Amino acid sequence: TQLLEQSPQFLSIQEGENLTVYCNSSSVFSSLQWYRQEPGEGPVLLVTVVTGGEVKKLKRLTFQFGDARKDSSLHITAAQPGDTGLYLCAGALNSGYALNFGKGTSLLVTP
Amino acid sequence: DAGVIQSPRHEVTEMGQEVTLRCKPISGHNSLFWYRQTMMRGLELLIYFNNNVPIDDSGMPEDRFSAKMPNASFSTLKIQPSEPRDSAVYFCASSSSGALAGGYTFGSGTRLTVV
Repeated sequence: TQLLEQSPQFLSIQEGENLTVYCNSSSVFSSLQWYRQEPGEGPVLLVTVVTGGEVKKLKRLTFQFGDARKDSSLHITAAQPGDTGLYLCAGALNSGYALNFGKGTSLLVTP
Repeated sequence: DAGVIQSPRHEVTEMGQEVTLRCKPISGHNSLFWYRQTMMRGLELLIYFNNNVPIDDSGMPEDRFSAKMPNASFSTLKIQPSEPRDSAVYFCASSSSGALAGGYTFGSGTRLTVV
């Protein structure tokens, strides 16, 4: 059973479009992280959110942690081909546990 | 810093053979994690170490898998004997102060193919 469910599984859009991907769970997390993975490489950390309701912005990327700390979303404004990759959310149940990862959303942005 | 270094990058082996994957974490990181990634199951935690001590190995599939961390700068994941269903990309990651800190730094992975 997957602890973190991500949707959609695949997303193909054109350059300039906006998109939102989701990460949902029935469990409460002490923190949640988003990673991006490119083919042939390991995931790279984008952001960590800790507080329920927290919103963080990283250039065109906006991350939100749900009030109940069970879900999160990633919004990309004006997507570019360089945003193509696998977006993974990962949560820690508490500080003593390793991260659980969702299966990811595979994003393709075409020119 | 060169980041987390894994070797080999690719490994093709025959069923029944022993496979050893290696990892050098980032200097100063006190936690090390081994994950396996497949299309079907995504990233699965196999085992993690804190200060060289195994903390949680509940993700290790079966007795054919074993992991060691003899010192702070080196870890191995061994599969003996290997089976075709072990084919996957194996990642090593390291971090300081656990998951709440600056996230995990992953290596580039070892793509294992068992034929």
